[in-house]
Amino acid sequence: GAVVSQHPSRVICKSGTSVKIECRSLDFQATTMFWYRQFPKKSLMLMATSNEGSKATYEQGVEKDKFLINHASLTLSTLTVTSAHPEDSSFYICSARAASPDLGELFFGEGSRLTVL
Amino acid sequence: QKEVEQNSGPLSVPEGAIASLNCTYSDRVSQSFFWYRQYSGKSPELIMSIYSNGDKEDGRFTAQLNKASQYVSLLIRDSQPSDSATYLCAVVSGGSNYKLTFGKGTLLTVNP
Repeated sequence: GAVVSQHPSRVICKSGTSVKIECRSLDFQATTMFWYRQFPKKSLMLMATSNEGSKATYEQGVEKDKFLINHASLTLSTLTVTSAHPEDSSFYICSARAASPDLGELFFGEGSRLTVL
Repeated sequence: QKEVEQNSGPLSVPEGAIASLNCTYSDRVSQSFFWYRQYSGKSPELIMSIYSNGDKEDGRFTAQLNKASQYVSLLIRDSQPSDSATYLCAVVSGGSNYKLTFGKGTLLTVNP
């Protein structure tokens, strides 16, 4: 299957700092990338949809000024958590949808566990 | 509101048995259906996709789709302890805006 790489896998930061998470599709071009967050023992929650070269579409209740998404190329999307607070601590997972062939599948990165002290 | 419903479990089966996981969805025009496996603390991994009515087999896994009943299932034959994980059903919503909706997942435990 297609490979999506996410970095860093684990990050600990102080409250008030910003953290950037990268998501790369390694062997395919991704028309669209999605960012999810997941709290312990809870389901995946879609935060935003990222299309290359255009602004991200955020889900209701997700602050776009706090969670900055940049999709600079067909293989790279970044999520920046700005002015992080302890309540932002979570497991952030990116996923990518292949441009071709597009069978509707999403391929997930390994996830990034953020801990804000 | 497009919904995907799964029994949260936990579903517990003995090693070697068949595990049956079920999922229903509300969007009648959905065309693409997926099963993901998620181990604790890890990200989801795609294990099966199915697009047309009937059965699709891949190794020990069989996905079954019934669009008339809006039902999709996953059977795991000869269950192994390594199959213990949360299984997520995912459905692509119909319409021009692609959206993959996940169920809340079923926790499967395979007992040695």
